[in-house]
Amino acid sequence: AQSVTQLDSQVPVFEEAPVELRCNYSSSVSVYLFWYVQYPNQGLQLLLKYLSGSTLVKGINGFEAEFNKSQTSFHLRKPSVHISDTAEYFCAVRDFPNAGNNRKLIWGLGTSLAVNP
Amino acid sequence: NAGVTQTPKFQVLKTGQSMTLQCAQDMNHEYMSWYRQDPGMGLRLIHYSVGAGITDQGEVPNGYNVSRSTTEDFPLRLLSAAPSQTSVYFCASSYRPFPLAGGSYEQYFGPGTRLTVT
Repeated sequence: AQSVTQLDSQVPVFEEAPVELRCNYSSSVSVYLFWYVQYPNQGLQLLLKYLSGSTLVKGINGFEAEFNKSQTSFHLRKPSVHISDTAEYFCAVRDFPNAGNNRKLIWGLGTSLAVNP
Repeated sequence: NAGVTQTPKFQVLKTGQSMTLQCAQDMNHEYMSWYRQDPGMGLRLIHYSVGAGITDQGEVPNGYNVSRSTTEDFPLRLLSAAPSQTSVYFCASSYRPFPLAGGSYEQYFGPGTRLTVT
């Protein structure tokens, strides 16, 4: 993977509204995809991941993401957000593992989701 | 399991001082890494290790040293602190680092160390 772009740096939304956080990547090979969440003053934790199989992936806290290979995207969605979803969300990509490639994750810059009452 | 632990949680240093940020994990993960997080810059990899005795540089290694004498511990040393090193530092670990063994490389993060250099 060469780069990850999170298209929105900040997303304000009202409670119970739907939300989509967008992530695009560039890579010449197959990839693994991840979304991590960072709550205020905490470390990051895995929200969901795509390794293979169904392109619709469900994660914790009601989040889901869809892998679109043709558009090289992995957008995160939730149909109804809560105040407690206020956090920073990071998209990350790594190339499908083989004997020669880099083991490092490539990170997006993050999207700050602010859920307002 | 305690997961990934980091100490200290907060630290203030004067320019030129040295210190070590501690990181330990009890999940028998072979892959460990250090990141720094700065506003608007996301996570940047400082150093990483694929097993005891093996370390390598990430994208921003200057001013930092690491060593990996055991599977559990991966300390990060600041040799001579500079204001540019003011940041939040995260340690992370994952299992199955070897490509042919498969695995997703999901990373588990510590709670972070907030470092201020004056």
